[in-house]
Amino acid sequence: GAGVSQSPRYKVAKRGQDVALRCDPISGHVSLFWYQQALGQGPEFLTYFQNEAQLDKSGLPSDRFFAERPEGSVSTLKIQRTQQEDSAVYLCASSLGAAQETQYFGPGTRLLVL
Amino acid sequence: AQKVTQAQTEISVVEKEDVTLDCVYETRDTTYYLFWYKQPPSGELVFLIRRNSFDEQNEISGRYSWNFQKSTSSFNFTITASQVVDSAVYFCALIWLNNDMRFGAGTRLTVKP
Repeated sequence: GAGVSQSPRYKVAKRGQDVALRCDPISGHVSLFWYQQALGQGPEFLTYFQNEAQLDKSGLPSDRFFAERPEGSVSTLKIQRTQQEDSAVYLCASSLGAAQETQYFGPGTRLLVL
Repeated sequence: AQKVTQAQTEISVVEKEDVTLDCVYETRDTTYYLFWYKQPPSGELVFLIRRNSFDEQNEISGRYSWNFQKSTSSFNFTITASQVVDSAVYFCALIWLNNDMRFGAGTRLTVKP
């Protein structure tokens, strides 16, 4: 596709449920990033992949958060045993090469945990 | 500490006014990159500009211009002759030789007709 796509766009989960968020980066982009954006705030870094390798997961807030990119293209962010504080917009971005190149963002997945 | 500060939380202007959005950053590194993104109500972050720390030349793109001053650690963004379609939240961001891009808190710009 022409841009980064994410699905679902909206997700409502009951506290304690597991959720999986999908990101399709721009074709050929080596780097992929996940960010969390709370209401009224800027995005905060969660994790970074270069191809299939997860090179940085320093931003993941707890061990309930897990991300993968097994074939170096599509990525999934999984949140286990969701909590209310996980409610946010989850943004995915990709860049052609290194992390310092321009990152292009998807529309985000808005997660609401009840 | 590496951080980005956008002191203006909200700005409201009338169409055709010029408006400047401020961005001040902190970094210990000599090599870094600065960005501006626009986030319209639809929610998707739209890339506007990327600058590296070695290029202090100001840039103009249509009604948009950017003023990068290393001496004051600022990277301000000016919209000339603002339009209603410019209404959005604007984010300034910083990345250095790592993978963790830091965003400011954003400035919500409202342009009234």
